[in-house]
Amino acid sequence: NAGVMQNPRHLVRRRGQEARLRCSPVKGHSHVYWYRQLPEEGLKFMVYLQKENIIDESGMPKERFSAEFPKEGPSILRIQQVVRGDSAAYFCASSSHIKDTQYFGPGTRLTVL
Amino acid sequence: AQKVTQAQTEISVVEKEDVTLDCVYETRDTTYYLFWYKQPPSGELVFLIRRNSFDEQNEISGRYSWNFQKSTSSFNFTITASQVVDSAVYFCALSEEQSSYGGSQGNLIFGKGTKLSVKP
Repeated sequence: NAGVMQNPRHLVRRRGQEARLRCSPVKGHSHVYWYRQLPEEGLKFMVYLQKENIIDESGMPKERFSAEFPKEGPSILRIQQVVRGDSAAYFCASSSHIKDTQYFGPGTRLTVL
Repeated sequence: AQKVTQAQTEISVVEKEDVTLDCVYETRDTTYYLFWYKQPPSGELVFLIRRNSFDEQNEISGRYSWNFQKSTSSFNFTITASQVVDSAVYFCALSEEQSSYGGSQGNLIFGKGTKLSVKP
């Protein structure tokens, strides 16, 4: 069984560019969560999605960030007009049910130059 | 408010020593879940254990053991006879059944992590 897949593993962008981070959940999991890990900090929740629905985006910055989990294909976290402060590791997790254990992907390390 | 505190920022031990990582949590919910995750130097997050609030039995898995005490709101993690491969950052996390802040029930609230270095 494949675990949570994230790509790319490393992403370098210049200020003002767009970053697209992809997450394929564990097969059969319909709940996806995105977390951000800033340097020297713990992980912070960003957004929780089920297929085609955003359930909770309370941790997502109000501007430039968006997320989707379409009926077909991976979940996408999109950051428009990136700034240096967006440099972080972005982790995706999935679970089969809202109350079940979340299994994490390897993360995408975003560096903004 | 819900919160997870890992007071130990860094711990350094010599191989074969036992080490305990502390975790204290705050929640208003009566039903909640506690987790430990390991983040080795390679960066991925590895699930170690999940415990629900109604199960206070201690758990042992090989060299790992967990002590859950509701009376002190603690969920401590002990590694017995530590090994160099145990070197990692360890995160404790909380998930609430009924989110007290109005958010969804699913997201994890993480502590800041404890960096464990095991020296040969």
